[in-house]
This record gives sequence, C-alpha cells and structure tokens, in this order.
Amino acid sequence: NAGVMQNPRHLVRRRGQEARLRCSPMKGHSHVYWYRQLPEEGLKFMVYLQKENIIDESGMPKERFSAEFPKEGPSILRIQQVVRGDSAAYFCASSPLATETQYFGPGTRLLVL
Amino acid sequence: AQTVTQSQPEMSVQEAETVTLSCTYDTSENNYYLFWYKQPPSRQMILVIRQEAYKQQNATENRFSVNFQKAAKSFSLKISDSQLGDTAMYFCAFMKLTGNQFYFGTGTSLTVIP
Repeated sequence: NAGVMQNPRHLVRRRGQEARLRCSPMKGHSHVYWYRQLPEEGLKFMVYLQKENIIDESGMPKERFSAEFPKEGPSILRIQQVVRGDSAAYFCASSPLATETQYFGPGTRLLVL
Repeated sequence: AQTVTQSQPEMSVQEAETVTLSCTYDTSENNYYLFWYKQPPSRQMILVIRQEAYKQQNATENRFSVNFQKAAKSFSLKISDSQLGDTAMYFCAFMKLTGNQFYFGTGTSLTVIP
C-alpha cells in the first residue's frame, strides 16, 4: 500500500507566479488535510477536504490560497501570486476516517524568490 | 482553543540511554487523541505513538512509551535504548475526538550522540 504521495517535492517560484501542489492520499483514504510548516516552527493546519467537499478551511489564508479534492485525481493546493512569505514546507496527510490517525506525505518545499 | 506546548527546544542523549521529551496541552475537551510524530532530516512526518484520552493505560510501541497524565494535561514521550536513527525533531500533537485537525507543538530537536 503506497503511502501519501506529494509532488513536486521541491518547487521554486518567482513572486507573483502561481504554485500548484498535488497530494495523492493513501489507497482507501477519503480524507485529506493540508498543513504548512514555516522554518523552525511546527505544522499549522490549513484545510480539511473530502472528495468534492471542503469540510474545514479555518486555517487557510483568506486570499490567494485555495484547495480542492476532485472526484477523480489528487488533491490540489493552489497559491496564486506567491509572495516570499509563502516559502514553507507544505504537508498533506490522509486518513480513512475523520478521527483516525493521519498519515503524512513527504511534503513539498516551496521557495519563492 | 487547543494549545500544545513543548518546553524543550533541544535535547541530547547518549546512544543506548533513555530520554524523556515533555509535552503539555490545554483543552476543555474530555475525550481526545494525543500523538507523537518524528521528523528526521528528510522532513518526512512519521507517526511514533498514539494515545486515546479515554484509555488509562499508557501506550507503548517497542522502545517508545508515553506517560499520560490526564489531570495534569501532560503527555511525555520516553525513548529507551536510544539509537542514532532516533535523531530528529519530535512533535507532540492533539486532536479532538470530534475534530479533524492536529494542533502541533513547536517541536523538540533530539540528537543522539554516539
């Protein structure tokens, strides 16, 4: 059973460009979570999705950030018009049920120049 | 609101010795989950151990065990017979029983010295 997959592992963008981060959950998992880890900090919750639904986006910045988990394909975290402060590691996690243990992907390191 | 506090930013331990990492949390919930995750230099987040608050028995997983004190809201991690591969950041995390997100502490950087 393959683990949570994220790609790309590293992403470099210039200010003002768009960043698209992908997450494929573990097989059989229908719950996806996105977290952001700034340098020297712990992970901070951003958004929780099930297939075709955003359940909780209380941790998402109000502007420029969006997430989706379509019926087919991976979950996408999209950051428009990136700024240097968006540089961070973005982790995706998945679980079979909402209150089950979450299994993390390897993360995507976003660097904004 | 839930908060998780790890008061030890850095710790070190001699190989084969035992080390305890501290974690306290604040919540008004009665039932919840607590976790320890390990983040080695590869930055992968790896589950170490999980504890359900309604279980009085402390969770154990091979060389890893916890001391869960519900009244004190304390959840420490004990690593026995430390190995070089245990060198990593360790994060304590809280999840409400009816919740869907982790609340993480700021982490403890553990170095195992050969």
